[in-house]
Amino acid sequence: EAEVAQSPRYKITEKSQAVAFWCDPISGHATLYWYRQILGQGPELLVQFQDESVVDDSQLPKDRFSAERLKGVDSTLKIQPAELGDSAMYLCASSRQGLNTEAFFGQGTRLTVV
Amino acid sequence: GQQLNQSPQSMFIQEGEDVSMNCTSSSIFNTWLWYKQDPGEGPVLLIALYKAGELTSNGRLTAQFGITRKDSFLNISASIPSDVGIYFCAGRRGSEKLVFGKGTKLTVNP
Repeated sequence: EAEVAQSPRYKITEKSQAVAFWCDPISGHATLYWYRQILGQGPELLVQFQDESVVDDSQLPKDRFSAERLKGVDSTLKIQPAELGDSAMYLCASSRQGLNTEAFFGQGTRLTVV
Repeated sequence: GQQLNQSPQSMFIQEGEDVSMNCTSSSIFNTWLWYKQDPGEGPVLLIALYKAGELTSNGRLTAQFGITRKDSFLNISASIPSDVGIYFCAGRRGSEKLVFGKGTKLTVNP
């Protein structure tokens, strides 16, 4: 069964360091999402791509976060420099284009900033 | 921004019991989704609802899209230990982004 692949599963980094997460969506899914989930909360959208273009990054802290999907397939989310408050689960999801096409989530990357 | 109120926050039940949880919004949505998340994993879509009044089942799970378009309900019948997890509702208005509730943590005692 096709699934969204994310790596790494877990990451521990020191504050002020750079960290990057990778996501490979389900083949054929044009829309890709990065969510952040703080413990005890629901996921919150950071950035949404349609193919290689950003369609919504209104909640992305652009002073330290960046995301790219250069060839419209896999994507990278970067944080530089990491802060203690960035500790969270970072979830990638993908969906087909079109109405009422829901997203499938990956297993996530659990980030701990120390 | 839009807010979803999900209740209860947590539930402790005995195996075999039925479970009900709900989600309310201050805004009208035209899509309601219910997800389950196991510890350390991503959310898995359980049921999607697209029409007011719609009642949809997935095995022992049944969800309804409220008539007012501002609420949704999820019921689990005859709970089993593997139902343990966090259940999230999510709503969307038109092509706007999906908004998630804070989740209902379900514990099932064998």
